[in-house]
Amino acid sequence: QKEVEQNSGPLSVPEGAIASLNCTYSDRGSQSFFWYRQYSGKSPELIMFIYSNGDKEDGRFTAQLNKASQYVSLLIRDSQPSDSATYLCAVSYTGTASKLTFGTGTRLQVTL
Amino acid sequence: DGGITQSPKYLFRKEGQNVTLSCEQNLNHDAMYWYRQDPGQGLRLIYYSQIVNDFQKGDIAEGYSVSREKKESFPLTVTSAQKNPTAFYLCASSIGTGVLEQFFGPGTRLTVL
Repeated sequence: QKEVEQNSGPLSVPEGAIASLNCTYSDRGSQSFFWYRQYSGKSPELIMFIYSNGDKEDGRFTAQLNKASQYVSLLIRDSQPSDSATYLCAVSYTGTASKLTFGTGTRLQVTL
Repeated sequence: DGGITQSPKYLFRKEGQNVTLSCEQNLNHDAMYWYRQDPGQGLRLIYYSQIVNDFQKGDIAEGYSVSREKKESFPLTVTSAQKNPTAFYLCASSIGTGVLEQFFGPGTRLTVL
């Protein structure tokens, strides 16, 4: 069973701080990694994707991938109340064509 | 405006009834997907289609059926064989094979009365 694990939270950070969200996966053959943001009652929105080891930055968001340790993380700098949402990690596994496996998500709360 | 539409937004069904959820996209994407989301759980793949007239079962296909007669449309039927159909149903699409970024529609919330 290919798994994607996330801490369900809630992760609470003060406004302006860095939020760090983590995700681990079970298959070393995993190739592509995605972060989605989902507001309560809404559908997921793609924030970032990363394919190679290292960091990838996009505005206030940084995705970090470490294939040797089988984890991927999302850093949100200068966290804003509007960042309060559930963040879903998704992984594509080798040999599964275009299928993604999703984690259960981490709920982030940014406090004033 | 390019995007994915799902209808209806809310759907109520009596036990024993089949219902069909609509998903349409005008992004010219080849691949389309159906997921189910339950409270506290991640998205689980029901069916997916990579090209017209072809589709594959996902992880929880039992009690569901799909068709892909047009590139733009991928309707999902929830049959009476699905024992616990109350959930949030999400349709997604991606450009095609090898391009995995999936974009989601707004979802349909199905409640069985």
